[in-house]
Amino acid sequence: DTGVSQDPRHKITKRGQNVTFRCDPISEHNRLYWYRQTLGQGPEFLTYFQNEAQLEKSRLLSDRFSAERPKGSFSTLEIQRTEQGDSAMYLCASAPGVNYEQYFGPGTRLTVT
Amino acid sequence: AQSVSQHNHHVILSEAASLELGCNYSYGGTVNLFWYVQYPGQHLQLLLKYFSGDPLVKGIKGFEAEFIKSKFSFNLRKPSVQWSDTAEYFCAVKLYGQNFVFGPGTRLSVLP
Repeated sequence: DTGVSQDPRHKITKRGQNVTFRCDPISEHNRLYWYRQTLGQGPEFLTYFQNEAQLEKSRLLSDRFSAERPKGSFSTLEIQRTEQGDSAMYLCASAPGVNYEQYFGPGTRLTVT
Repeated sequence: AQSVSQHNHHVILSEAASLELGCNYSYGGTVNLFWYVQYPGQHLQLLLKYFSGDPLVKGIKGFEAEFIKSKFSFNLRKPSVQWSDTAEYFCAVKLYGQNFVFGPGTRLSVLP
């Protein structure tokens, strides 16, 4: 399967801990997106990369969140000092360019206790 | 602020009933429009998309959607639903050169 993959699929952590998620996009896609989805809502944009450059960050992305995409391949999303309000599904998507549909991964479900 | 609304939070239909899910957006410029579906336990998948041309677009699994520019709408339709269509449906709008904005989703339950 050459779709978008995310790891881990589920993460349970205690408040105050740091967590890191990984996304592997479809190999020829130069755009990579991170979204957050809570129950009953659609995905909310967090940030995106074109190759290794992070081009936009939503105001939803507080200082505790950081994302990287070294070498323009996989990406990581780190949340420092997690809070209960960070509990959500974190989705990654990739696209071959700016005006194309996005292909989504299965998501990482984060639960902060 | 840019926004996408979906008229129904939860729709319940019997098999073979017709389906129409509403989607409206608040942008005035050129838009690309999408419907994504999320089956239980699965990831978001593209159902159909509109970029330009014929405003009536056909997607997978018998779904279609009509772009009505004057109404800022992109409603999803299917003439006869099946139990396997039970899922959550998300409308998404993308301004040219900008990022996606998703609607809140509509949960469809099809009763066998």
